[in-house]
Amino acid sequence: DTEVTQTPKHLVMGMTNKKSLKCEQHMGHRAMYWYKQKAKKPPELMFVYSYEKLSINESVPSRFSPECPNSSLLNLHLHALQPEDSALYLCASSQKPGSGNTIYFGEGSWLTVV
Amino acid sequence: GENVEQHPSTLSVQEGDSAVIKCTYSDSASNYFPWYKQELGKRPQLIIDIRSNVGEKKDQRIAVTLNKTAKHFSLHITETQPEDSAVYFCAASKHGDSSASKIIFGSGTRLSIRP
Repeated sequence: DTEVTQTPKHLVMGMTNKKSLKCEQHMGHRAMYWYKQKAKKPPELMFVYSYEKLSINESVPSRFSPECPNSSLLNLHLHALQPEDSALYLCASSQKPGSGNTIYFGEGSWLTVV
Repeated sequence: GENVEQHPSTLSVQEGDSAVIKCTYSDSASNYFPWYKQELGKRPQLIIDIRSNVGEKKDQRIAVTLNKTAKHFSLHITETQPEDSAVYFCAASKHGDSSASKIIFGSGTRLSIRP
């Protein structure tokens, strides 16, 4: 089962709201990722967690705060977002964090900031 | 850092014909090249990948070739079918300084299959 589950599928939030995106995988993968994808663009890497530790932060604004409570879960906490942050947020995982490991994507959370 | 260029941005082919999408990468240390297919409103899904120690890989109607010297890799789809219509992304990655690696995506090719 190559399943990465994301909730919610759709989220509308105001610029003063605090919300969270959640991601779960039960494949025993030890690397988890957050990507942001705007319409007609490729996914852009935001964060990489390697063995539950943050190993890559692609200079993401602090209004996005990732959290990895355990090896199966990954959260993205959102606070004081801007309308330009509206996008599809994709969670992904791979068996190990190194190059050559297949990355499996979740269905994504469609975020609209109003 | 790594840069991946992908061409063409859109491609329309007659059903049954072949489609070819080409990518170039800048970092000679890149060693893994996956291809993802993304249908409208859905997640990117891996369709084929190739590692730097291999020049060609085939899986039914899909094949990928890699030229390390020229830093080119290409996706070939033969006998195209309507369900092949989607956006295709090439990507490249290498082992990073940390324990994790980054996959850098090309800009995507929107493939349309004409009936």
